[in-house]
Amino acid sequence: EAGVTQFPSHSVIEKGQTVTLRCDPISGHDNLYWYRRVMGKEIKFLLHFVKESKQDESGMPNNRFLAERTGGTYSTLKVQPAELEDSGVYFCATRGQMNTEAFFGQGTRLTVV
Amino acid sequence: KQEVTQIPAALSVPEGENLVLNCSFTDSAIYNLQWFRQDPGKGLTSLLLIQSSQREQTSGRLNASLDKSSGRSTLYIAASQPGDSATYLCAVRLQGGKLIFGQGTELSVKP
Repeated sequence: EAGVTQFPSHSVIEKGQTVTLRCDPISGHDNLYWYRRVMGKEIKFLLHFVKESKQDESGMPNNRFLAERTGGTYSTLKVQPAELEDSGVYFCATRGQMNTEAFFGQGTRLTVV
Repeated sequence: KQEVTQIPAALSVPEGENLVLNCSFTDSAIYNLQWFRQDPGKGLTSLLLIQSSQREQTSGRLNASLDKSSGRSTLYIAASQPGDSATYLCAVRLQGGKLIFGQGTELSVKP
């Protein structure tokens, strides 16, 4: 069974540009989470989808970040326009409805220059 | 507000030593606690998950304990090996599934 897949693995963009990160969950996992780790800090929660609905988006830093999960399958996280402080590693995690364990993707390392 | 702290931030030991990594959390209202391992440039690998009603979990050379009332968990690694070198992360799960992470302990096991 395929695990959680994220791409790209690494993205370097200029300040002001737009970047879209994608997460493909484990098949059948209704719960999908986005997290971010910026340099020197702990991994922090961004938002939580249950199927296609946003359950909790309390961790989204500002309105430059937009997450979607059309059809309840893969999810995208768009940053527009990107700022220097958005640099970090963005992780996606998914969890099945009954299974309490979260499975993480490899992460996308975003560098804004 | 739930906060998770991991001590020490970094640890270097010779191969073969037994070691303990510490994790503390400020609010005992957790659903479960999960220990992860992260290798450089890689994702997070789940090591052990302890439900809030449990006291410990074991997997091979790893043993994790949970004392919810005091807000503490420990990860015990027996007979450490160079392949254990990685960053170890502790995370508590809140209702709804959100994880709150500590900053991690960077472990280096020298041959």
